[in-house]
Amino acid sequence: AQTVTQSQPEMSVQEAETVTLSCTYDTSESDYYLFWYKQPPSRQMILVIRQEAYKQQNATENRFSVNFQKAAKSFSLKISDSQLGDAAMYFCAYRSSGSGNTGKLIFGQGTTLQVKP
Amino acid sequence: DAGVTQSPTHLIKTRGQQVTLRCSPKSGHDTVSWYQQALGQGPQFIFQYYEEEERQRGNFPDRFSGHQFPNYSSELNVNALLLGDSALYLCASSLGLWTGHRGGTYNEQFFGPGTRLTVL
Repeated sequence: AQTVTQSQPEMSVQEAETVTLSCTYDTSESDYYLFWYKQPPSRQMILVIRQEAYKQQNATENRFSVNFQKAAKSFSLKISDSQLGDAAMYFCAYRSSGSGNTGKLIFGQGTTLQVKP
Repeated sequence: DAGVTQSPTHLIKTRGQQVTLRCSPKSGHDTVSWYQQALGQGPQFIFQYYEEEERQRGNFPDRFSGHQFPNYSSELNVNALLLGDSALYLCASSLGLWTGHRGGTYNEQFFGPGTRLTVL
């Protein structure tokens, strides 16, 4: 079974600075997707960034980028130029590829990010 | 374009009671997944519905059951409530069954705001 581990329960960053959130996962599959989701205090979960395991290039979405190390099974999120609106709980998630799967998401425990003005 | 909606927002029940939570998928979506998120934890997959059938189930007891209606909306029912069932219940919708193959169209899951269930 696949597992996702986030070892940083809480992180803080000064506004305008850069922060990196860590995630490791375990799987025997070769094809899969990895995600970072953001859950603000209002609770609605939104997708921040997606990485397809077969792509070597790290995904980037504006101020958000990932460092995907497939051999090490590591998937970190870097937030540049942090803003107050980035304060939220961040979840790393895994999704198997291939038909026959429902595409269920497997989440880590989450990291609460505090942004200090 | 309405996103995923869930009702009610909050619910308080006592042990042994039964509860029904409701979810309306994003416009155009036909697949609904349910997740349970305990306080301070990541969501855990309960089950998924497509074409009014349960397609996959996570590690949850039979007390958890669901239904999908012809208009794609869905209900989550929990019987014989336990204190440990207190959680945020999230609904996520997507279009079609997951394929996930390389180069294919990615069918993202969109989440609703959740229903906070408290069992006393």
